[in-house]
Amino acid sequence: GQNIDQPTEMTATEGAIVQINCTYQTSGFNGLFWYQQHAGEAPTFLSYNVLDGLEEKGRFSSFLSRSKGYSYLLLKELQMKDSASYLCAALDSNYQLIWGAGTKLIIKP
Amino acid sequence: GAVVSQHPSWVICKSGTSVKIECRSLDFQATTMFWYRQFPKQSLMLMATSNEGSKATYEQGVEKDKFLINHASLTLSTLTVTSAHPEDSSFYICSASQTPEGYEQYFGPGTRLTVT
Repeated sequence: GQNIDQPTEMTATEGAIVQINCTYQTSGFNGLFWYQQHAGEAPTFLSYNVLDGLEEKGRFSSFLSRSKGYSYLLLKELQMKDSASYLCAALDSNYQLIWGAGTKLIIKP
Repeated sequence: GAVVSQHPSWVICKSGTSVKIECRSLDFQATTMFWYRQFPKQSLMLMATSNEGSKATYEQGVEKDKFLINHASLTLSTLTVTSAHPEDSSFYICSASQTPEGYEQYFGPGTRLTVT
């Protein structure tokens, strides 16, 4: 079956760095997405990786290892507004998005 | 760019009535639109995929006669929840993509439906 695993909840301190991991098992693979979702709001796109390696976008970076079925989202210089759920989603061979349950990130002052 | 709007943002309706939710891509033509449902503290659940001018493809377990989807144009899709029941109360989110494969979906702000 197809499956996405990511931690349910993480806590970090304002100004620090946090890494949110995601492992996936899908029928085929056409890329991995990270979305941010604040409570009561729809997800917003953060990143897309289809090749191995690290993609950096400002304070956020995303890494992919296709051979390991593994990705992580790295958030630097954490701000209180980064408190949100972070959703990992993999695009399978049918171009269907398989969603993880999301990681709730709590930022403490 | 790539803005998707959804209307209404929230709605309360009585059990047995029908509710229509609109999803519009404001600054691009959406080849494909997706409808999701999200229950509290759970991830998104894909309900159906719709392409302009053709019938929607529903996910297993989603009743197509209950959740009517119309993708009338490249910028508008509607979801109608017919004969709503309290268990249909949820957060409904649409997304739109410029490609048939759904690569890089842009999400609407969501509609919170409460059925009393």
